[in-house]
Amino acid sequence: QLVLTQSPSASASLGASVKLTCTLSSGHRSYAIAWHQQQPQKGPRYLMKLNSDGSHIKGDGIPDRFSGSSSGAERYLTISSLQSEDEADYYCQTWGSGLVVFGGGTTLTVL
Amino acid sequence: QVQLVQSGAEVKKPGASVRVSCKASGYTFTDYYIHWVRQALGQGLEWMGWINPNSGGTNYPQNFQGRVTLTRDTSISTAYMELNRLRSDDTAVYFCARSDYSNYWFDPWGQGTLVTVSS
Repeated sequence: QLVLTQSPSASASLGASVKLTCTLSSGHRSYAIAWHQQQPQKGPRYLMKLNSDGSHIKGDGIPDRFSGSSSGAERYLTISSLQSEDEADYYCQTWGSGLVVFGGGTTLTVL
Repeated sequence: QVQLVQSGAEVKKPGASVRVSCKASGYTFTDYYIHWVRQALGQGLEWMGWINPNSGGTNYPQNFQGRVTLTRDTSISTAYMELNRLRSDDTAVYFCARSDYSNYWFDPWGQGTLVTVSS
């Protein structure tokens, strides 16, 4: 069964970097995922599509501070030079066999 | 620019139906799938299905089959989501989103439509 696992919360200081993790279920480590950001009281915004080899396609206007990488079944979103507006929920998403799956989301707090 | 604009908030009674629209602009409507996703207050994202605007073909996850119907009107580049037999736990914000035919990553998203189910 295709499942994405995310830690419920993360925190980092203003100006620092943070690395969020999304883990694909067993047997699905070759799958691409997408990362989405949801700021408080807003709808989700597409950040990037991230392939198993670490290559990624970012959305329009997404700052260079946002980058993606992959290792095995893990997909990462790294945000550098954290700003207050980066405080948000981050969801990973994947697809297969005509279906779509979301991770549970990670709430990022900028200290 | 590519944009998805959804219809306004709805208040419905339990047992009723609701239809939410999603109007696409800035691209050829029939070249991309439209998906629907919902989010209950304080909860995560839940995928409800997709429609192929070109053929009208649809796909729903098991937990929504029989209660959700996705349709489209290509003449006005608009997709619709109808949810039947509403319950209080259907109260949520409903989003539409675009993907291409073979890779279902969502870009962009609609702004969301709040559906409140209350007696």
